[in-house]
Amino acid sequence: DAGVIQSPRHEVTEMGQEVTLRCKPISGHNSLFWYRQTMMRGLELLIYFNNNVPIDDSGMPEDRFSAKMPNASFSTLKIQPSEPRDSAVYFCASLWGTWTDTQYFGPGTRLTVL
Amino acid sequence: GESVGLHLPTLSVQEGDNSIINCAYSNSASDYFIWYKQESGKGPQFIIDIRSNMDKRQGQRVTVLLNKTVKHLSLQIAATQPGDSAVYFCAENMPMNTGFQKLVFGTGTRLLVSP
Repeated sequence: DAGVIQSPRHEVTEMGQEVTLRCKPISGHNSLFWYRQTMMRGLELLIYFNNNVPIDDSGMPEDRFSAKMPNASFSTLKIQPSEPRDSAVYFCASLWGTWTDTQYFGPGTRLTVL
Repeated sequence: GESVGLHLPTLSVQEGDNSIINCAYSNSASDYFIWYKQESGKGPQFIIDIRSNMDKRQGQRVTVLLNKTVKHLSLQIAATQPGDSAVYFCAENMPMNTGFQKLVFGTGTRLLVSP
């Protein structure tokens, strides 16, 4: 299996622009997670999907952030408009089963907003 | 990827030594714990997990100990190798008021292994 796939790996954009991050979970996994990692706040859960349905989005910072999962093999995290404080590494993870199972992380997207 | 912070606690060991990385968790209701390893430019990688009905679990060269009384978790790495150099995170599976659960990660410990 190819593991969790994220694209792009690096994104540099200017403040105010729209940014879309993409994730392909491991085939057969039924839960997908978006995380953000920064020096100041560490690794934070943004949103969690189960069977393509958003279950918990309490970690989404504000209305500028939105996430979708149109099917079991694809999810997007969109930031519009982007701000410099959104600069971070964004990870996608997936798992099969329940919370007490292993989450597999993708390689991350490093986002820099100038 | 950006996997470390400027003020991460750091453990420096010599190759061949045993390493112990500690973690304090916050919620006594947490029932599942995981250790992840994150190398520079990569996502967190699962190492070992333990459920709250256990005190100890062993893997290949790694052992996790859970002390629920003091809400403490440790990761022991035997015969540490240079390839073990990374940031290590503990994570607790925390029940939420919504009825769902989420993984909450610790701040991480950087392990440096010298040849």
